[in-house]
Amino acid sequence: GAVVSQHPSRVICKSGTSVKIECRSLDFQATTMFWYRQFPKKSLMLMATSNEGSKATYEQGVEKDKFLINHASLTLSTLTVTSAHPEDSSFYICSARGAARDTQYFGPGTRLTVL
Amino acid sequence: DAKTTQPPSMDCAEGRAANLPCNHSTISGNEYVYWYRQIHSQGPQYIIHGLKNNETNEMASLIITEDRKSSTLILPHATLRDTAVYYCIGGSGAGSYQLTFGKGTKLSVIP
Repeated sequence: GAVVSQHPSRVICKSGTSVKIECRSLDFQATTMFWYRQFPKKSLMLMATSNEGSKATYEQGVEKDKFLINHASLTLSTLTVTSAHPEDSSFYICSARGAARDTQYFGPGTRLTVL
Repeated sequence: DAKTTQPPSMDCAEGRAANLPCNHSTISGNEYVYWYRQIHSQGPQYIIHGLKNNETNEMASLIITEDRKSSTLILPHATLRDTAVYYCIGGSGAGSYQLTFGKGTKLSVIP
């Protein structure tokens, strides 16, 4: 149990375009989902926290207009990187937590490369 | 979240027990100790967590000191596939449940 998927696993896009990443909890309802970013040889950095049906809470320094997060259902959250630039190239990872769980379960990550 | 301190790297012989230490002297009474690991280019994998008592599951054992200022993750019989970065995190058992990742310990299991 506690499986979280992400799609796509890898994406390459041109500078200025937008990219959507999906995060799904496959076998439980995720009341809270989290989005992280990880640069090479660095640790995970929390970008935002989202609760189903409400606006996401962004960490300091993360632009909410650039990283749009939608958590419209208990099994799906999306992260849209708008007007992507090369410096947005990174490994994006989501995690999910169910109402009855005190543990986060992570997706496999999405490798974004912006040319 | 509590600040945690882990050694940057450790080696372990294949088949032997791997004991990974973590200091979390500022952990508060309602904060759990979580352990995750991350194999290269994958998302973190949940291993185990505990509050006060020692815990064991199919992956590992977690030993928490009585004062809760430190803990040890034990992989009883390390295999090559256990090579990964291991993160010890102090996280709230209530509220936002946010996890703050430090630098972790790079465990290398050697044949």
